Amino acid sequence: EVQLLESGGGLVQPGGSLRLSCAASGFTFSSYAMSWVRQAPGKGLEWVSAISGSGDSTYYADSVKGRFTISRDNSKNTLYLQMNSLRAEDTAVYYCTKDTIVVVPAARNWGQGTLVTVSS
Amino acid sequence: DIQMTQSPSSLSASVGDRVTITCRASQTISSHLNWYQQKPGKVPKLLIYAASSLQSGVPSRFSGSGSGTDFTLTISSLQPEDFATYYCQQSYSAPRSTFGQGTKLEIK
Repeated sequence: EVQLLESGGGLVQPGGSLRLSCAASGFTFSSYAMSWVRQAPGKGLEWVSAISGSGDSTYYADSVKGRFTISRDNSKNTLYLQMNSLRAEDTAVYYCTKDTIVVVPAARNWGQGTLVTVSS
Repeated sequence: DIQMTQSPSSLSASVGDRVTITCRASQTISSHLNWYQQKPGKVPKLLIYAASSLQSGVPSRFSGSGSGTDFTLTISSLQPEDFATYYCQQSYSAPRSTFGQGTKLEIK
């Protein structure tokens, strides 16, 4: 069974940093691209960042480019999101997703999410 | 960037009703369109992928159609557990995907 468990969320001041982790199990982690998707309180879903299975390729939404860094440690089956220069608008639940291609790419597995609150 | 626009933003319906939600892409995305359901306080769940393929375990009252820029999600006979928010997602430009703004389906 696929399991994704995020951690690292919390309260941080504007301009601060936080690192999220997503521990994966139940599948061959290095074979799958992974993504971070966030949801601000009462709002919709926003794709944030993605990384290839090998970690060689990374992708970012314009809203976080230059501030967030996605990475992975395939030996530890763990996905990361380093968030710097945090802003109030980054406040959201952050989900990690396992991206599977069956005809087309889709997020078939989601973690439970971790809440990041940026506030003074 | 590809923009996704859902309509309506909210919808009131009764148990047993047939409901249709639409999603429009700002450019052609072929059939690279997925639908997700999210209940309050819960994690999004994949319902439909590739515009019309039902994800395993999803009831057959859910169906999807469309290609190019216009897509629909249909629930043939609403059940109490279907009241939720539904999101479309384009994966044409994956991994840079885009979600629609969501459609909240409420009980009339």
